[in-house]
Amino acid sequence: DIVMTQSPDYLAVSLGERATINCKSSQSVLDSSNNKNYLAWYQHKPGQPPKLLISWASTRESGVSDRFSGSGFGTVFTLTISSLQAEDGAVYYCQQYYGTPYTFGQGTKLEIK
Amino acid sequence: VQLLESGVHLVQPGGSLRLSCAASGFTFSNYAMSWVRQVPGKGLEWVSGISYTGRSTYYADSVEGRFTISRDNSNNTLYLQMNSLRAEDTAIYYCAKGKDDYNNFDYWGQGTLVTVSS
Repeated sequence: DIVMTQSPDYLAVSLGERATINCKSSQSVLDSSNNKNYLAWYQHKPGQPPKLLISWASTRESGVSDRFSGSGFGTVFTLTISSLQAEDGAVYYCQQYYGTPYTFGQGTKLEIK
Repeated sequence: VQLLESGVHLVQPGGSLRLSCAASGFTFSNYAMSWVRQVPGKGLEWVSGISYTGRSTYYADSVEGRFTISRDNSNNTLYLQMNSLRAEDTAIYYCAKGKDDYNNFDYWGQGTLVTVSS
C-alpha cells in the first residue's frame, strides 16, 4: 500500500498570511506513461463532506479560489494557501489515486489566527 | 449532482448492515464510485471502490472479506453490504463519485453514521 504522510499535523497561521502543507508518498504516484501525478487535495470542514480542491497535484478544480495552489511530483507534494481567510480553517487531506487502496494522508488541521 | 446516503444506523457487533447511496444529476453508469469513512475525530479512510460497470471491485485490507460493494446502474444506486461488523467500523460513511475516469472524488454525499455497539 502507498502510505501518505502529511506535515505538519496542525498549523496556526494569521489572517492574510500563507499556509503550506506538505505531503509525502511512500512510493511514486507519477505515471510515466502520461507524466501525471495521481495526487489530490481536499478541504474538510466539520459537518460537511470533503471538497476536492486540486487534482493531478496542481490542477485546481473549477470554482476553487486561486489562493489555493498545489505543486510537486513523484513523492513530494505541497498545498499552498495564500492570503488566508477565516473560511479556510479546516482539515486538509492529500490522497493518492495511483492505485488501490486509494490512501489519504492523516490530515492537517489549519487554524486561522 | 446529488448523492444521498441512507440515514443513521445502530448495529450490534457481529451484525450486518447494508448502506445505500442514491445518485442523481449525472449519468451514474459512466463513473466509478467509492465509499470513504471517517471515524469520529480521525481522518479519512478509503473503504471500497467499484468500476462504472460494476465488474471490478476493490477493498481496503481492513474490510476485505467482510464488506461487499455493488451498484445498480438501472436504479442509480450504490451499495455497501457490511458483515461481521466491529466496534472499529463505527464511522461516518460517505459515498463518493470518481472524477472522469479516475478515483479522485469530485462529489460526495453528506455521509451516514454507522455505530457498532452493544
